[in-house]
Amino acid sequence: QSALTQPASVSGSPGQSITISCTGTSSDVGGYNSVSWYQQHPGKAPKLMIYDVSKRPSGVSNRFSGSKSGNTASLTISGLQAEDEVDYYCSSYTSSNTYVFGTGTKVTVL
Amino acid sequence: EVQLVESGGGLVQPGGSLRLSCAASGFTFSSYWMSWLRQAPGKGLEWVANMNQDGSEKYYVDSVKGRFTISRDNAKNSLYLQMNSLRAEDTAVYYCGRNHVDYWGQGSLVTVSS
Repeated sequence: QSALTQPASVSGSPGQSITISCTGTSSDVGGYNSVSWYQQHPGKAPKLMIYDVSKRPSGVSNRFSGSKSGNTASLTISGLQAEDEVDYYCSSYTSSNTYVFGTGTKVTVL
Repeated sequence: EVQLVESGGGLVQPGGSLRLSCAASGFTFSSYWMSWLRQAPGKGLEWVANMNQDGSEKYYVDSVKGRFTISRDNAKNSLYLQMNSLRAEDTAVYYCGRNHVDYWGQGSLVTVSS
């Protein structure tokens, strides 16, 4: 099972919006509405930010939103803040009854 | 409050074995799928295995099939990962996760080296 493809880095200025893509295949991202997004600070456990493509867990800022089109899912962060400058990973259910993560994206706030 | 606490990590020689444990609290453990995930030093996240509520369904990433075994004890609110025939590439922080995954433990470092 190959990792989902994410850009290595994405950057934006404070207050701007950025979008992180997560590209898979019809056997994972494109075939199921089971895409999640995680935020990870250095040395810490990941935190769930989005599940089932576009749902936000309680307590997660509404500046974070998710969507999907075909085999590509996206995480959009609006009103970019300095605290958003960490790593983000997508994850998807697969046709093999397993899960696969994305390659990870480092967000930089300029 | 949901809490997941991993233990059992450490240094092991190639070909050796190790058993990780995850103690769960703050939720009805027996009602949830549970997962193991890992992250090699400086690398990305990797899903390792999961199992359903009664243990009748278990799934593994190809790279650990036949070497790792996931199990659980609902009476003890605990999840386990038996790791055999360990390789250098299994070196990672191993995380226990609830469901697919909404809560993560703090992780346990496994180092495979001679």
